[in-house]
Amino acid sequence: AQSVTQLDSQVPVFEEAPVELRCNYSSSVSVYLFWYVQYPNQGLQLLLKYLSGSTLVKGINGFEAEFNKSQTSFHLRKPSVHISDTAEYFCAVSYNQGGKLIFGQGTELSVKP
Amino acid sequence: DGGITQSPKYLFRKEGQNVTLSCEQNLNHDAMYWYRQDPGQGLRLIYYSQIVNDFQKGDIAEGYSVSREKKESFPLTVTSAQKNPTAFYLCASSTGVWNTEAFFGQGTRLTVV
Repeated sequence: AQSVTQLDSQVPVFEEAPVELRCNYSSSVSVYLFWYVQYPNQGLQLLLKYLSGSTLVKGINGFEAEFNKSQTSFHLRKPSVHISDTAEYFCAVSYNQGGKLIFGQGTELSVKP
Repeated sequence: DGGITQSPKYLFRKEGQNVTLSCEQNLNHDAMYWYRQDPGQGLRLIYYSQIVNDFQKGDIAEGYSVSREKKESFPLTVTSAQKNPTAFYLCASSTGVWNTEAFFGQGTRLTVV
């Protein structure tokens, strides 16, 4: 079955430290990958997406992600986090163009001063 | 401003009562979706619609109903048959069904007492 796994439910980190939020998906010939961010009691906002081309994708707020086909991963990274990055982050995958968007369970990023 | 509006933001209902959540979009998107969010479970698809007067069940449709009489509107009714209705509900839209990017509303938190 097609699935998305976010390996960490919670990630605490100090301000200005680097962070990596991990996402793995079940293998498929064609995938489209997304990271969304959700602030408390808010909807989801798209951070970045991979559809094709360069495997390193840059998004908003200084985040980037790398598509690794051999490891079926799409980890999200930021070199230096801010308090304002505290939120829940969701990885999502669409299998084949026009495929249903499947979400991971979410990773709660907590940035401490 | 273009976007998706969900109302109300917070909703309280007594057990056994039906309740309708509103979702309106002015993005001229054809496709609309309803998701349910519970802590630690990511987003689960309830219903989706790709055109007016047409909709399909998602993964957890039991106890819910929808209508799509206008392109801009996709209300969700949580019926008394839904066993555990307390949750955060998110509406989304995209230019086409399972289009690669979905835009989300701010959500409605429903509490049934």
